[in-house]
Amino acid sequence: QVQVVQSGAEVKKPGASVKVSCTASGYTFTNYYFHWVRQAHGQKPEWMGFINPNGGSTGYSEKFQGRLTMTRDTSTSTVYMELNYLRSGDTATYYCARSQSSGWDSILAYWGQGTLVTVSS
Amino acid sequence: EIVMTQSPVTLSVSLGERATLSCRASQSISRNLAWYQHRPGQTPRLLIYGASTRATGIPARFSGSGSGTEFTLTISSLQSEDFAVYYCQQYNDWPLYTFGQGTKLEIK
Repeated sequence: QVQVVQSGAEVKKPGASVKVSCTASGYTFTNYYFHWVRQAHGQKPEWMGFINPNGGSTGYSEKFQGRLTMTRDTSTSTVYMELNYLRSGDTATYYCARSQSSGWDSILAYWGQGTLVTVSS
Repeated sequence: EIVMTQSPVTLSVSLGERATLSCRASQSISRNLAWYQHRPGQTPRLLIYGASTRATGIPARFSGSGSGTEFTLTISSLQSEDFAVYYCQQYNDWPLYTFGQGTKLEIK
């Protein structure tokens, strides 16, 4: 069955970078897009962007342009989300989610368990 | 940015009763709407996509309806495991998919 497992919690100082991983199993990794969503405490979820594991093409929300990079490693079926120049407002739980259908699809069918990123001096 | 507004913020319903959750889009999104369930300590779960299509494994008591700007999620007979926060999400407006602020469904 499809499984999506994320890396553990992180604590970072303002101005630093964080890189969260998301490892998938149970299907052909390159057939399905991944999306990243974050949710700060008490706030609504916020869509950040996507990556196509087949070729590595990406698309980001304008809000994160210049600070966000998504990559993938097909040898380990892992996608990564790196956010730079962290500030306190980036404190949130970050989720990766696999799309439901193969090819371009923005319906989030399989979610990781979430990674809490805390930005604090 | 398309703003998604969910109502009510909190809904109190008894076991076995029907729950109706609403989601409104600030502009038309056709039927490009999904509903997710998020129980505390668990991963979010896709319930409905395309406004009315149940995802794999979702019980028939969950149903979605609507198009354009007005959408509804109905849970026909509430079970204990249904008490959670529910989010709607529009995926019509690329590259800015947006979520509602959520409806917390609690036991009355």
